[in-house]
Amino acid sequence: GENVEQHPSTLSVQEGDSAVIKCTYSDSASNYFPWYKQELGKRPQLIIDIRSNVGEKKDQRIAVTLNKTAKHFSLHITETQPEDSAVYFCAASEPGAAGNKLTFGGGTRVLVKP
Amino acid sequence: ETGVTQSPTHLIKTRGQQVTLRCSSQSGHNTVSWYQQALGQGPQFIFQYYREEENGRGNFPPRFSGLQFPNYSSELNVNALELDDSALYLCASSFAGEDTEAFFGQGTRLTVV
Repeated sequence: GENVEQHPSTLSVQEGDSAVIKCTYSDSASNYFPWYKQELGKRPQLIIDIRSNVGEKKDQRIAVTLNKTAKHFSLHITETQPEDSAVYFCAASEPGAAGNKLTFGGGTRVLVKP
Repeated sequence: ETGVTQSPTHLIKTRGQQVTLRCSSQSGHNTVSWYQQALGQGPQFIFQYYREEENGRGNFPPRFSGLQFPNYSSELNVNALELDDSALYLCASSFAGEDTEAFFGQGTRLTVV
């Protein structure tokens, strides 16, 4: 089955700096890679996703890159703000007509210091 | 705000007991997936239901079972509870199809004592 590794497990950045989180996956059949943000005591919320036919996607201060050959993908947050503090999870999903079955990484706790 | 709702929000059970958790999917969604999130870890896929049948299962024993109803809501049942079953249980609904976004409920926090 799929295995997703995520690094680092914790990340502390100064407000305004950039944050980068990296994930690797094992199953070359995976073709959908979402990123979720989970604040303390709340549900995971999708912040950005990328499909296997795309190498990079950007949404305001957030960008994701995908290298299918190397089987890794990364989340980049620029101009970090205190409200970016949360746990971020990457995930990978194999094709499935009924919907995605997500394999999650272990999470990265991001702390943005004012 | 997502339309996926779960009940109850918190639950305390004794080892060996059985528990049923419920999930109402977002309007228009016909697929429900269940995940277990232990403290400090990422969610782990338990199983998925589509058209009222199990459609894929993660590495969980048979004492984890589920149902999906005609209105696409779903239940997760866990028998013979163990201490390690203590976790946040999340359901996610989506519309069947590849690469469709999964919307998570707020979760049920299960504590087994």
